[in-house]
Amino acid sequence: EIVMTQSSVTLSVSPGERATLSCRASQSVNTNLAWYQQKPGQPPRLLIYGASTRVTGIPARFSGSGSGTEFTLTISSLQSEDFAVYFCQQYNSWPLTFGGGTQVEIK
Amino acid sequence: EVQLVESGGGLVQPGGSLRLSCAASGLPVSNNYMSWVRQVPGRGLEWVSVIYNDGDTYYADSVKGRFTLSRDNSKNTLDLQMNSLRTEDTGVYYCTRLRTTLQFDFWGQGTLVTVSS
Repeated sequence: EIVMTQSSVTLSVSPGERATLSCRASQSVNTNLAWYQQKPGQPPRLLIYGASTRVTGIPARFSGSGSGTEFTLTISSLQSEDFAVYFCQQYNSWPLTFGGGTQVEIK
Repeated sequence: EVQLVESGGGLVQPGGSLRLSCAASGLPVSNNYMSWVRQVPGRGLEWVSVIYNDGDTYYADSVKGRFTLSRDNSKNTLDLQMNSLRTEDTGVYYCTRLRTTLQFDFWGQGTLVTVSS
């Protein structure tokens, strides 16, 4: 099983600033990596797949990068609605596995 | 518009059983990969089970032999039969659509399962 690690449990960022979230895989997942956003009381929402492709309707301030074992989700200028928990998920092999999540909170 | 609505969660004692249902609209369960994902506080998200459009089912090792996923094409529903429940099965269970490229793009609101004596 591929273990996904999101090293920052919490990230404190001021509105308008850049947020950089990291995700590491225990073995290569190529670019088979997705990012999700979850707000309180809501299910996760798919933001990015293929490590860097935004889902239709996701703002351009969200960008993803990386391949192999190291991945990054960048939110270029945090808006109030972006404060949430973010999860990465690998789909290179079964079982599909998620990272533990990073909470982006208001500084 | 796709909607997935879960039901059937509740409180059950260890060793007990529960049946979760997912009513889908806006997409046919028979033509899609449908999956259950659970969320446990402090343990994040965990994939539980999938049923492919051809009817094949697969399970996480943690639930294999205890959970059974089925679907009713005429009702456009999914059922997750959960037996021999353990305290570690506690969590919010989400019904999801799994893209053929293996990302979860549609989610229900979830149903809470609590396994406790």
